[in-house]
Amino acid sequence: GDSVTQMEGPVTLSEEAFLTINCTYTATGYPSLFWYVQYPGEGLQLLLKATKADDKGSNKGFEATYRKETTSFHLEKGSVQVSDSAVYFCALTGNTGKLIFGQGTTLQVKP
Amino acid sequence: DTEVTQTPKHLVMGMTNKKSLKCEQHMGHRAMYWYKQKAKKPPELMFVYSYEKLSINESVPSRFSPECPNSSLLNLHLHALQPEDSALYLCASSQQPLGVSEAFFGQGTRLTVV
Repeated sequence: GDSVTQMEGPVTLSEEAFLTINCTYTATGYPSLFWYVQYPGEGLQLLLKATKADDKGSNKGFEATYRKETTSFHLEKGSVQVSDSAVYFCALTGNTGKLIFGQGTTLQVKP
Repeated sequence: DTEVTQTPKHLVMGMTNKKSLKCEQHMGHRAMYWYKQKAKKPPELMFVYSYEKLSINESVPSRFSPECPNSSLLNLHLHALQPEDSALYLCASSQQPLGVSEAFFGQGTRLTVV
């Protein structure tokens, strides 16, 4: 079945450091790919999305490119802030009509 | 506006109580979802309503009973819950069923069963 694998956390960075959170997927067909962010005590917010190969999703300085050849959708940000501290979930929707999540990666940014 | 509103934000209930969680969206979305999230885990799908009809039930125990009164509202009725049902319950909606459009989540209801 469809699945998403994320790098394990927590990821701890200093403010203004470069961020990469790895995400790879297994799916039949052509899934849509998403990054959601969950701040402490809150629900999930859609951060960015990509619906076809080579699409780049971007929002709030975060970017991710849909790489079909490597089945990846890595999240990047050039300069993280303390306010980016949260849990990040990579997810996909495929033929099942369900949103399949990775396990989540906790990001801690220290001043 | 991409808002999904859930009430209440927090709920404490005894194992013999009956309570309901409410979810509302005014984006004209035709699919709505209930998820359960335990601490440090991803959300787990419970139910999917598509065009106001239940389309997916992920083998959820009958002590959880969903209801979709109209296209904007989704309820989750709770009865005889167990302490292990304590979790964050998230509602989400999408313009069309997933695979066509993305899901937007509410802030969740933090449920504690005592």
